[in-house]
Amino acid sequence: AQSVTQLGSHVSVSEGALVLLRCNYSSSVPPYLFWYVQYPNQGLQLLLKYTSAATLVKGINGFEAEFKKSETSFHLTKPSAHMSDAAEYFCAVSEGTSGTYKYIFGTGTRLKVLA
Amino acid sequence: ETGVTQTPRHLVMGMTNKKSLKCEQHLGHNAMYWYKQSAKKPLELMFVYSLEERVENNSVPSRFSPECPNSSHLFLHLHTLQPEDSALYLCASSQQAGGAYNEQFFGPGTRLTVL
Repeated sequence: AQSVTQLGSHVSVSEGALVLLRCNYSSSVPPYLFWYVQYPNQGLQLLLKYTSAATLVKGINGFEAEFKKSETSFHLTKPSAHMSDAAEYFCAVSEGTSGTYKYIFGTGTRLKVLA
Repeated sequence: ETGVTQTPRHLVMGMTNKKSLKCEQHLGHNAMYWYKQSAKKPLELMFVYSLEERVENNSVPSRFSPECPNSSHLFLHLHTLQPEDSALYLCASSQQAGGAYNEQFFGPGTRLTVL
């Protein structure tokens, strides 16, 4: 079974600083990878997804992630943090066969942005 | 209403009560999902419905009973719950079930507390 590991359940950055949220996956086949964000009192919202078209994936709100097969990683970055980025971020991998895929989520990383 | 809505947003119930959670999607999607979100644990997929037919049941205890009367509505009927069932229950929908790149759209969740 595939899995994702998010290192660091809590990350704090200063406003304007680089955001780096880590995600490593385990998969024996090319993975389908996603980042979701959950703002307080809201459901999850898709930030970006890796579909093998390009290793650097750009998402909404200035976030991007780079797929590195050699490191089995799909880390999420943003050059300059805003206060509005404070939220919980989930990495997920889509597992299954044709017509049966389902998400396997990581445990999440809560991002705190300091003024 | 737009997107995915869930009612109630908060629910407190005793272990002998019977209650229901409601989810409605306004996106014209064919697949709907129930997830359980507990602190410090990955999101757990509970049920998947595709065109009103249950296609996934992840070994969920029978005290949770889903119902999908049509492709826009999903219910989760609860009875004789345990305190460890306290969690945030998220509903999601997607264009179809089982696709590798499916984006899922989440509702804000129902915060359930079992006393």
